[in-house]
Amino acid sequence: GENVEQHPSTLSVQEGDSAVIKCTYSDSASNYFPWYKQELGKRPQLIIDIRSNVGEKKDQRIAVTLNKTAKHFSLHITETQPEDSAVYFCAASSISTDSWGKLQFGAGTQVVVTP
Amino acid sequence: DAGVTQSPTHLIKTRGQQVTLRCSPISGHKSVSWYQQVLGQGPQFIFQYYEKEERGRGNFPDRFSARQFPNYSSELNVNALLLGDSALYLCASSLGFGVGGSPDTQYFGPGTRLTVL
Repeated sequence: GENVEQHPSTLSVQEGDSAVIKCTYSDSASNYFPWYKQELGKRPQLIIDIRSNVGEKKDQRIAVTLNKTAKHFSLHITETQPEDSAVYFCAASSISTDSWGKLQFGAGTQVVVTP
Repeated sequence: DAGVTQSPTHLIKTRGQQVTLRCSPISGHKSVSWYQQVLGQGPQFIFQYYEKEERGRGNFPDRFSARQFPNYSSELNVNALLLGDSALYLCASSLGFGVGGSPDTQYFGPGTRLTVL
């Protein structure tokens, strides 16, 4: 089955700097890669997602890049703000005979933005 | 993600008991997935249902079961509770059709925090 590895596990950045989180996946059939932000005690919230027919997607200060050949994808947050502090999860998914969109999550990255 | 609701918010049970968790998806969504999130870890897939049929099952024991109703709401049942079942149980809602051969987006509910004593 799919295995997703996520690095780093913790990331401390100064306000205004950029943050980058990287994930690798094992199943070449995976073709959907969402990123979720989870604040303490809250639900995971989708912040951006990418499908394998594109290599990059951007939404304001957030961007995701995908390298299908190398089986890795990354989240980039520019001009970080204190409200960006949270745990970020990457996930990979595909449509298969035994799973229609089962999300396989990485272990998460705790991002701390210091003023 | 607005609109996915789960009940109850919190639940405390003792070992050996049974529990039922409930989820209502976003209006118009026909698929519901269940995930278990242990503290400090990413969510782990338990089940996915679409149009009342099971469409996927994760690596969980038979003590875990689920069903989906005609109105697309869903219940997750866990029998013979163990201490290790203590976790946040998340429900995710999606359209269920897929997008161009890839899965469609899943939106999470607030979760049910289960504590087993």
